[in-house]
Amino acid sequence: DTGVSQDPRHKITKRGQNVTFRCDPISEHNRLYWYRQTLGQGPEFLTYFQNEAQLEKSRLLSDRFSAERPKGSFSTLEIQRTEQGDSAMYLCASSHPRTQSSGNTIYFGEGSWLTVV
Amino acid sequence: DQQVKQNSPSLSVQEGRISILNCDYTNSMFDYFLWYKKYPAEGPTFLISISSIKDKNEDGRFTVFLNKSAKHLSLHIVPSQPGDSAVYFCAASAGNNDMRFGAGTRLTVKP
Repeated sequence: DTGVSQDPRHKITKRGQNVTFRCDPISEHNRLYWYRQTLGQGPEFLTYFQNEAQLEKSRLLSDRFSAERPKGSFSTLEIQRTEQGDSAMYLCASSHPRTQSSGNTIYFGEGSWLTVV
Repeated sequence: DQQVKQNSPSLSVQEGRISILNCDYTNSMFDYFLWYKKYPAEGPTFLISISSIKDKNEDGRFTVFLNKSAKHLSLHIVPSQPGDSAVYFCAASAGNNDMRFGAGTRLTVKP
């Protein structure tokens, strides 16, 4: 399967701990996105990369959140000093340069569930 | 700032009938619109899209209609099948900027 891959799928952590999620985009997709989704809401944009460059960050991305894509391939999203309000599904998505000029279609992974207790 | 709105949190239809899911947006700069389908505990799956230069796009049982003057789009599913039961998200983007999503509509197709 060559879809967007996310790991881990589920994470339960204690408040105050750090967590890291990994995303492997679809091959040849140069853009990689992170979204967050809570119950009853649609996905909310957090940040995106074009190759290794982080081009946009939402104001939702507090100082405790950091995302990297060091080699322009996989990406990590780290949350430091987790809070209960961080509990959500973290979604990664990617898009191919071919689609970006005519309307950018993004393809999501399965998501990583975070529960902060 | 809710730029994309799906005002119906849920919709129930009979198998074989038409399902119509609605979406409204406020940002006139949006030029690309998409529908995603989401099953529980999975990520959203791309379904169909439409550019602002068109008013209709069809793919099998799925048709998306865009009314730019009303800032409204809809997704028609004909005929509806029980496997279509899922949460449907409307999304929109302006240029190549980040995509905004509605809150979703839960569709239930009854056998």
